Formats: sequence, structure tokens, C-alpha cells
Amino acid sequence: DAKTTQPPSMDCAEGRAANLPCNHSTISGNEYVYWYRQIHSQGPQYIIHGLKNNETNEMASLIITEDRKSSTLILPHATLRDTAVYYCIVKAAGNKLTFGGGTRVLVKP
Amino acid sequence: DVKVTQSSRYLVKRTGEKVFLECVQDMDHENMFWYRQDPGLGLRLIYFSYDVKMKEKGDIPEGYSVSREKKERFSLILESASTNQTSMYLCASSSPAEGRNEQFFGPGTRLTVL
Repeated sequence: DAKTTQPPSMDCAEGRAANLPCNHSTISGNEYVYWYRQIHSQGPQYIIHGLKNNETNEMASLIITEDRKSSTLILPHATLRDTAVYYCIVKAAGNKLTFGGGTRVLVKP
Repeated sequence: DVKVTQSSRYLVKRTGEKVFLECVQDMDHENMFWYRQDPGLGLRLIYFSYDVKMKEKGDIPEGYSVSREKKERFSLILESASTNQTSMYLCASSSPAEGRNEQFFGPGTRLTVL
């Protein structure tokens, strides 16, 4: 599975959009981009995933560049409860998840 | 809602003890996973199972074994606990039949080996 690179941390103001970048320049054609998050003292939680097209669900939006070498997770209106570590993972369907360091997001009032 | 439960949130054991960590999921998922999470190392896969009585080694299986006698239950066993197995242990399940192929995680067991 392709490697991903994320900034180690970022701050975000409550009520504003949080844009979390992820680089995956070695992604293969059959690999999906997954996003999970882990709130303190809890297990990881699935957020969203995509292959080529942009995706949106009740939690977030996922924007994937046309060359698929990078993506951005958007939390449209960050709340204090969105403070967590966010993991960007690239993997083919059926392969195991491999979690890297993630981005520690702190939402401030 | 999918529920993945783990037998204990916190556990303290002594070096050399045999330790059982139990995980149960209620969504009839075929796949189950055991991870450990350590500061600076992220989540690392220990073992996984794609079916009853089936198991596969993950990235760090040494010092661990697993058991999957029933579809809903996946046990992680530390035959002789050591201090370097002090960690947060996370269980997860998924189903390849569901298009999203997402993994649902339990709350974790924080194990301390003294």
C-alpha cells in the first residue's frame, strides 16, 4: 500500500472549516484513500473514503486531486468534539489498514 | 449500530502471567483484527482473522496468539506477558460484503504488565 504524509498537528477555530491535507504520491490505481480519526481514549472511527471522485457524507467531505497524488479532508464546521488525531490511509480493497502518525487536530473555542 | 466490545478497559498483570483479551462484535462481520497502539508508533496489526478458526499474522505477531472459535468472538492471548507488552490493545471488525469495507473499532484495553 502507498505511503502517506500528513502534517503532525494543526489548530482550527471552532465553527470554521478544517482542511486536513494528505500526500500520497505513490498511490496505485486500485488504492482507495481512507480517513479515520481517533478521539482521546477511544478506538479509531471511520470517517470517509474515496477512489477518484470527491465524496461527502454527514461527517466530512473528501477532495481528491485529479492525479490522485494528494487529498484533503474537510470538516465543514469544526466543533470542540472534533479534536482528535486524523489518519489518512491509502490501501487497496481487502488489504489491511496501516495507520501512520496522523495529524493531531486541536479545535479551539 | 455496529458494536465492538472488549472485555476490559484497564488491566494490570504481572510478568509471566497468561493474559486473555476478549473481543466480541454483534454485526456478523467476517473479519476481525487485533492492533496495539503505542506513542509514536501508531497502530500496529498483531493478528487478523477472515473466518472462524482462521488466523493470519499481522506485522508484529511475536509473543501473541489468537483464537477464533466463533464468528463473533476473537481472543488475543499473551502466553507469558512481558513488560514490553504494556500497551493499548484495540480490536476491530469489518465485513467485505459491505461496500465501504470500513473497520469498526472497540474502545480499547489498556494493559499494564508489571
